[in-house]
Amino acid sequence: GAVVSQHPSRVICKSGTSVKIECRSLDFQATTMFWYRQFPKQSLMLMATSNEGSKATYEQGVEKDKFLINHASLTLSTLTVTSAHPEDSSFYICSAREPGELVIHGYTFGSGTRLTVV
Amino acid sequence: GQNIDQPTEMTATEGAIVQINCTYQTSGFNGLFWYQQHAGEAPTFLSYNVLDGLEEKGRFSSFLSRSKGYSYLLLKELQMKDSASYLCAVRGRSGGYQKVTFGIGTKLQVIP
Repeated sequence: GAVVSQHPSRVICKSGTSVKIECRSLDFQATTMFWYRQFPKQSLMLMATSNEGSKATYEQGVEKDKFLINHASLTLSTLTVTSAHPEDSSFYICSAREPGELVIHGYTFGSGTRLTVV
Repeated sequence: GQNIDQPTEMTATEGAIVQINCTYQTSGFNGLFWYQQHAGEAPTFLSYNVLDGLEEKGRFSSFLSRSKGYSYLLLKELQMKDSASYLCAVRGRSGGYQKVTFGIGTKLQVIP
């Protein structure tokens, strides 16, 4: 089945610095990837939809200048948290669905990145 | 927009059956998913319903009623390893494109 790899799994950074999170589709080409954020005891919240070769579509309330998304190839999407602050500490996770794959097989998620800003 | 409601917590006994309900409101409904998520881990896909009725997959079954905006996940022969959060997610149209929105998740605790 489809595999999505996410890196790093954990990162601790200082307030004011930037952090890049990578999401790769290992055995398929993903024209679209999704980025979610999950705070403790809360649901997965969609942040943006990443489209290969074009600008990402951000959800309402998500600052596009703070959360930079780049989807330059069919197998890689990156999320950069710029000028990170402690309130950005969260679990970030990406997902994708293999084109042509039946929706009944669901969306595949990366393993997630636990970001802690100190 | 999309709105999804499910209970936040449930407790059930090992070997028993538990039903986790989910109600939703969405435009352009195009499917409902159930995912399992253990603490600190990524969600894993359990089931998908797009037509009314029951889908059975081993110990897990999922039901959908589109007219009622209602679904449930049924877990049979509960095992301790089933303790996890169960996320209801709806695929619909919002802002001109399709996206998947997740409920808050139901934290299930299986006790001996």
